[in-house]
Amino acid sequence: ETGVTQTPRHLVMGMTNKKSLKCEQHLGHNAMYWYKQSAKKPLELMFVYSLEERVENNSVPSRFSPECPNSSHLFLHLHTLQPEDSALYLCATRQVSGTGELFFGEGSRLTVL
Amino acid sequence: SQQGEEDPQALSIQEGENATMNCSYKTSINNLQWYRQNSGRGLVHLILIRSNEREKHSGRLRVTLDTSKKSSSLLITASRAADTASYFCATGATGANSKLTFGKGITLSVRP
Repeated sequence: ETGVTQTPRHLVMGMTNKKSLKCEQHLGHNAMYWYKQSAKKPLELMFVYSLEERVENNSVPSRFSPECPNSSHLFLHLHTLQPEDSALYLCATRQVSGTGELFFGEGSRLTVL
Repeated sequence: SQQGEEDPQALSIQEGENATMNCSYKTSINNLQWYRQNSGRGLVHLILIRSNEREKHSGRLRVTLDTSKKSSSLLITASRAADTASYFCATGATGANSKLTFGKGITLSVRP
């Protein structure tokens, strides 16, 4: 148990569906991240929220929409995805003034049909 | 880019042997971190070494950092079957808006 919980763990959706991934942290951290992990590729940083403000948007397509309503919750809203968006989506948190260590959730495995 | 590149891509060893994994990066860093990932799970932080440090130990882990060569190595001594996982190095800087850049990872298989 890392203190970072992601739901759902597995999601299958069609290209026309709308779904959301949720991340909840109980560590009191003030920065939250979304990463995408595809096979044979490095982890891709998608979004960063620091002190509840989005500070990074790494040229991610608009079909991915993040939301950070408070310091404990982070969402990734998905709509009209493509099959190449199938991947493991990882949420991570850290304390901005801390050591720089990231704490990851277990990930949400997304399959787009 | 500060992307870390791990080497080798895959490593298979016998239980009890030592495993050495390498990471190279391109630009100046403030710290370098190693993470472990079991199949289908999230990443777990193993160890962080700062740019002014040359070596660090944690249990069976030993990390070295050579900033002149822009490289790091992770040594796992007396490996166990439970060490089977993917290992990633990540480079980054501190600061409110800092980010870590990960490599593709090394797949380590430890045969019982």
